[in-house]
Amino acid sequence: AQSVTQLGSHVSVSEGALVLLRCNYSSSVPPYLFWYVQYPNQGLQLLLKYTTGATLVKGINGFEAEFKKSETSFHLTKPSAHMSDAAEYFCAVSDLYNNNDMRFGAGTRLTVKP
Amino acid sequence: ETGVTQSPTHLIKTRGQQVTLRCSSQSGHNTVSWYQQALGQGPQFIFQYYREEENGRGNFPPRFSGLQFPNYSSELNVNALELDDSALYLCASSRGRDRTYEQYFGPGTRLTVT
Repeated sequence: AQSVTQLGSHVSVSEGALVLLRCNYSSSVPPYLFWYVQYPNQGLQLLLKYTTGATLVKGINGFEAEFKKSETSFHLTKPSAHMSDAAEYFCAVSDLYNNNDMRFGAGTRLTVKP
Repeated sequence: ETGVTQSPTHLIKTRGQQVTLRCSSQSGHNTVSWYQQALGQGPQFIFQYYREEENGRGNFPPRFSGLQFPNYSSELNVNALELDDSALYLCASSRGRDRTYEQYFGPGTRLTVT
C-alpha cells in the first residue's frame, strides 16, 4: 500500500532563509506525488505535482520539489521564505492502480520568523 | 479561492445520529472526492464520484455513503455517528477521475459529534 512520511511536524525558519520540507513515500508502482498547502480555516491548495517526466517540478509561490526515485523522496524547497508562507504543508501520493486512493502525510507546520 | 463550496460550515451532532454534508463542484468538473481530516492530521480519502458513480473508496465503513447528482454536486452521508467522526470534511472537484487532474478543494465542513 502507498504511504507518505513527512519528517518534522514543525519547521521554523527566518524570513529570507531556505525552506526545506521533507517527504518520503512508499509505493509499489510509479507514484504520483503532490504538495498541498493549507491556511487556517481553508481547504487545501495544490502547490505542485509530479506525475511523469521531468523530476524537478516547479510550483506556485516559488516552491519546487524534486522526485528522487532512488531515495523515495519528494522534498519541497523554496530559496527564500516569506512571512506569507506560514501554513500547514501536506505531501500526498497516488497512482494509476490503487482505486483512486490518495494518501496524505500528517503535515508539517511551517513558521516564518521576522 | 476555488469555485468549490461546502455546506454547512459547522455542524454539531449527537452520537448515533445521521448527517448529510453537501458540496458544489467547480464549473466544468465531473469528479468529486471526499476526505476526512481529523484534528492535527492529514486528510484521509473517503471516496470519489465520477459522473454519478462511485469510482474508488478508501478504508471507511459502509455507514459512510455518498451521492453525486447530474449537475455533479455531491453529498456525503454518515449514519450512526461516532465520536471519532468528529473532523473537518473536505470535498474536492476535478475535471476527471485520473489523479493527474488537479483537485480543487472546498473550505470544508467541521463536524463535531458529542
